[in-house]
Amino acid sequence: SQTIHQWPATLVQPVGSPLSLECTVEGTSNPNLYWYRQAAGRGLQLLFYSVGIGQISSEVPQNLSASRPQDRQFILSSKKLLLSDSGFYLCAWSVQRNTGELFFGEGSRLTVL
Amino acid sequence: AQSVTQLGSHVSVSEGALVLLRCNYSSSVPPYLFWYVQYPNQGLQLLLKYTSAATLVKGINGFEAEFKKSETSFHLTKPSAHMSDAAEYFCAVSDSNRDDKIIFGKGTRLHILP
Repeated sequence: SQTIHQWPATLVQPVGSPLSLECTVEGTSNPNLYWYRQAAGRGLQLLFYSVGIGQISSEVPQNLSASRPQDRQFILSSKKLLLSDSGFYLCAWSVQRNTGELFFGEGSRLTVL
Repeated sequence: AQSVTQLGSHVSVSEGALVLLRCNYSSSVPPYLFWYVQYPNQGLQLLLKYTSAATLVKGINGFEAEFKKSETSFHLTKPSAHMSDAAEYFCAVSDSNRDDKIIFGKGTRLHILP
């Protein structure tokens, strides 16, 4: 069966520090991968999605970036965090040529102080 | 471009009462539509989905939703609310011609009153 792992679960970082959130999927190959951010009162915002290794689409201009170094690995990064980067970050995957059903990780809660 | 609007960021219903969570969508092509549920500090899980088959879709936990093209709506209902239904609910849309992008609404938090 397929599983998705996301870490760390909780992170407290100072403003200006770097960020790396990692997500891996097991039990499937060539998945679509997604990073969403959930901020209080703002719903679920699509940040990045990827349909293959090295293929990243960005939905929102910001100081975050994403990379997909391996088929089932998706990394969210920042060189310098802002206060506004605080939120709940969710990684998700779907099968290729799917009907849109997403499978979510447990989330990473980032607090920037 | 596709979009989803959920009316009401918070909805309160009494235990045993009808649950109605509203969702309207905008899409230039036939959409796929979804409802997801999120319990506190967890990821989202799929409740139900519409993919151009039957317009009345039944999901898990007694929820169902009806696709109404004329109203561009996909409202979520449950005949009788249970305390365990308290959660945040998200409506989402994807383009049936392009399966790599799923857009979510802002969510509706459902409160169940005893």
